[in-house]
Amino acid sequence: NAGVTQTPKFQVLKTGQSMTLQCAQDMNHEYMSWYRQDPGMGLRLIHYSVGAGITDQGEVPNGYNVSRSTTEDFPLRLLSAAPSQTSVYFCASSYSYPWGRQETQYFGPGTRLLVL
Amino acid sequence: TQLLEQSPQFLSIQEGENLTVYCNSSSVFSSLQWYRQEPGEGPVLLVTVVTGGEVKKLKRLTFQFGDARKDSSLHITAAQPGDTGLYLCAVFVRGYQKVTFGTGTKLQVIP
Repeated sequence: NAGVTQTPKFQVLKTGQSMTLQCAQDMNHEYMSWYRQDPGMGLRLIHYSVGAGITDQGEVPNGYNVSRSTTEDFPLRLLSAAPSQTSVYFCASSYSYPWGRQETQYFGPGTRLLVL
Repeated sequence: TQLLEQSPQFLSIQEGENLTVYCNSSSVFSSLQWYRQEPGEGPVLLVTVVTGGEVKKLKRLTFQFGDARKDSSLHITAAQPGDTGLYLCAVFVRGYQKVTFGTGTKLQVIP
């Protein structure tokens, strides 16, 4: 098993450009999520999905779109990049939704994004 | 304001020393998790605690969940350079469909 994979590892964008961060998992997990990690802010939830075709917003969804057409893939789209979106982005998955349960979330290695 | 306060923010110690890091809140949680994140990697789950007063051990790491389920501590005995990393606590808050992470304690163990 490759676990959770993310591409690209690094990306530099100019303000206003759009891009898609890719995330895939091969563990047949129903729950997938995107976090951003900023110094002093911890990990903050952007969007999540409890299964194919079902997505919902986390605490910082503005400027990001997601879709979940398959169980394996959960791409994150930046519509018009802004310097405030400079961050490290992590994708995570778990067998089922983690709230109220003792689910283990498995994290990818992250994508480091710089918006100029 | 942060739901979870982790302290200290930074800790630099010599190999062989003991240390304790804390995760505190004014809210009650149904369970709490500790993750370790190494530089350039994603977080990896260390342990989940669910019962007030619960103590779990993972080799040299001892995790405790507060009796009131509002706080937790992580104690490392005889720290090793391999313990270096960012330690994050995470909680599930009843009624909210998400996991909330603390800001972390950055630990450096010097050989």
